Amino acid sequence: QQQVKQSPQSLIVQKGGIPIINCAYENTAFDYFPWYQQFPGKGPALLIAIRPDVSEKKEGRFTISFNKSAKQFSLHIMDSQPGDSATYFCAARKTGANNLFFGTGTRLTVIP
Amino acid sequence: NAGVTQTPKFRVLKTGQSMTLLCAQDMNHEYMYWYRQDPGMGLRLIHYSVGEGTTAKGEVPDGYNVSRLKKQNFLLGLESAAPSQTSVYFCASSARDSQYNEQFFGPGTRLTVL
Repeated sequence: QQQVKQSPQSLIVQKGGIPIINCAYENTAFDYFPWYQQFPGKGPALLIAIRPDVSEKKEGRFTISFNKSAKQFSLHIMDSQPGDSATYFCAARKTGANNLFFGTGTRLTVIP
Repeated sequence: NAGVTQTPKFRVLKTGQSMTLLCAQDMNHEYMYWYRQDPGMGLRLIHYSVGEGTTAKGEVPDGYNVSRLKKQNFLLGLESAAPSQTSVYFCASSARDSQYNEQFFGPGTRLTVL
């Protein structure tokens, strides 16, 4: 059973557009929600992360929005660029643990 | 710093053969992990280790064994490979006191079992 549900599976946007990737969870024991970015042929790398005590976090063009009551969080990429084309994974971690539960991934393509 | 390295990068096995995947990290991290990545399934944790000499099961441990004899190395073994184990395998490591528990991933090993 997938502990973190991610959508959409794939996404195509024009350069400058704002792709949005959504994730949802059920387990209220999760206390940390990172996003990882993976380029073809490479391992995933941490992009940005948020804790549930804040509703939004921005790092450059990347923003996480967090809705604790709905148990949902999303990644927004402002002014998307072709270099942002990659697979994005959301994840969640339980309090006191180190293991991450990953979503199924979203393949983003930004068209020039 | 090489970060996290994995050996080999590619491997083809026949059903029933055995092999060991090697992961090495030079960041002095306490925690190490093995994941498998399959299309539409995301990354699933196979086994992990919180320190030298310790291992624990993750979400999908069946058919795999691991060992952490040295802090910098984490080995993943397949005793009798099956076609269902065809996948891309990623190793990762993280520091014990990392504020964001950032996991650093290796480049992956693509394994095909015929």
